[in-house]
Amino acid sequence: AQSVTQLGSHVSVSEGALVLLRCNYSSSVPPYLFWYVQYPNQGLQLLLKYTSAATLVKGINGFEAEFKKSETSFHLTKPSAHMSDAAEYFCAVSEHDKIIFGKGTRLHILP
Amino acid sequence: ETGVTQSPTHLIKTRGQQVTLRCSSQSGHNTVSWYQQALGQGPQFIFQYYREEENGRGNFPPRFSGLQFPNYSSELNVNALELDDSALYLCASSLVGVRTGELFFGEGSRLTVL
Repeated sequence: AQSVTQLGSHVSVSEGALVLLRCNYSSSVPPYLFWYVQYPNQGLQLLLKYTSAATLVKGINGFEAEFKKSETSFHLTKPSAHMSDAAEYFCAVSEHDKIIFGKGTRLHILP
Repeated sequence: ETGVTQSPTHLIKTRGQQVTLRCSSQSGHNTVSWYQQALGQGPQFIFQYYREEENGRGNFPPRFSGLQFPNYSSELNVNALELDDSALYLCASSLVGVRTGELFFGEGSRLTVL
């Protein structure tokens, strides 16, 4: 079965600093990978997805992620954090028409 | 275009009771999936419906059941509630073939079991 592991349940960065949220997947074949964001008291929203086209995927709100097969990673980055980025972020992988989520990383932005 | 809506937003039940949660899909979407998100955890897949038939199920017992209606809206029913059923229940709609697509989530129904 597919799975994703998110390193760090909480990450804190200063406003304006680089955001890096880590995700590793387990798959023997190229998977479809996703990052979702959940703001407080809201449902999940798709940030970006990798579907075996370009390895560097750009998403909404200035986020991007790079698929690295050799490292089985799909880390999420943003060059400059904004206070509005404070939320929970979930890495996910698709398996047989369902999507499996990681446990999430809560991103805190320090003023 | 209307988004995914869920009801009720919050509810409290006691152990052993039954609950029904409702979901209206985003316009044009024919696939609905349900997820359970316990506190501090990622969403866990419960099941998925396409054209009124269940076509995928996660590791949940049979007391979790569902329905999809001709207008693609859906219900999640949970019988014999247990304390561990306390969670945020998320409904997501999509076009068929969620593998490469994306899920559109509602804001969830928060269930507390006492």
